[in-house]
Amino acid sequence: EAQVTQNPRYLITVTGKKLTVTCSQNMNHEYMSWYRQDPGLGLRQIYYSMNVEVTDKGDVPEGYKVSRKEKRNFPLILESPSPNQTSLYFCASSLSRSGKNIQYFGAGTRLSVL
Amino acid sequence: SQKIEQNSEALNIQEGKTATLTCNYTNYSPAYLQWYRQDPGRGPVFLLLIRENEKEKRKERLKVTFDTTLKQSLFHITASQPADSATYLCALDFYYGQNFVFGPGTRLSVLP
Repeated sequence: EAQVTQNPRYLITVTGKKLTVTCSQNMNHEYMSWYRQDPGLGLRQIYYSMNVEVTDKGDVPEGYKVSRKEKRNFPLILESPSPNQTSLYFCASSLSRSGKNIQYFGAGTRLSVL
Repeated sequence: SQKIEQNSEALNIQEGKTATLTCNYTNYSPAYLQWYRQDPGRGPVFLLLIRENEKEKRKERLKVTFDTTLKQSLFHITASQPADSATYLCALDFYYGQNFVFGPGTRLSVLP
């Protein structure tokens, strides 16, 4: 079954404690991205990756890091989380960057930073 | 910068009626426009895609139109059912830049 898997689904942490949210896809997609979703603001892209070892900033990259060492995995790293990073996070993948391709989303990670 | 607006944050309609959701954008027209459905606590799921040079696409009870003059896409659900209740997002892909831009979404409630 084609899917994007995120872990964990729920996470409560404290300010400054480094954390990683994992994302894995089994569709051999080249393009992967991370979004955050906040009430009234919709989905905003944090980082994206066009392929292995190719990553770039999205609209709201401050406070986040990513890596793409393997095609299937695209972890999101918060080196020093702050309360304003409390949000619902989604990982997505698609065949390529082009808008003609469907984006497949993970189930989401709800993060609370205290 | 591009701004995407979707009609009223919430829309209530009676079962069996046609729901019409709007997606308006400013400035440049997108190369592609996609519609997604999102249920509470879940990730968005793709529904329909329309290209810049297309006027209309259909899939079962769903129809999307694209008017580059009005800078607007309309998303229709005919013979709506309570199971259609969800938040619907439009996503625009532009020729320039690297990002998809999502609208804020419209929460649709179909009342029995």
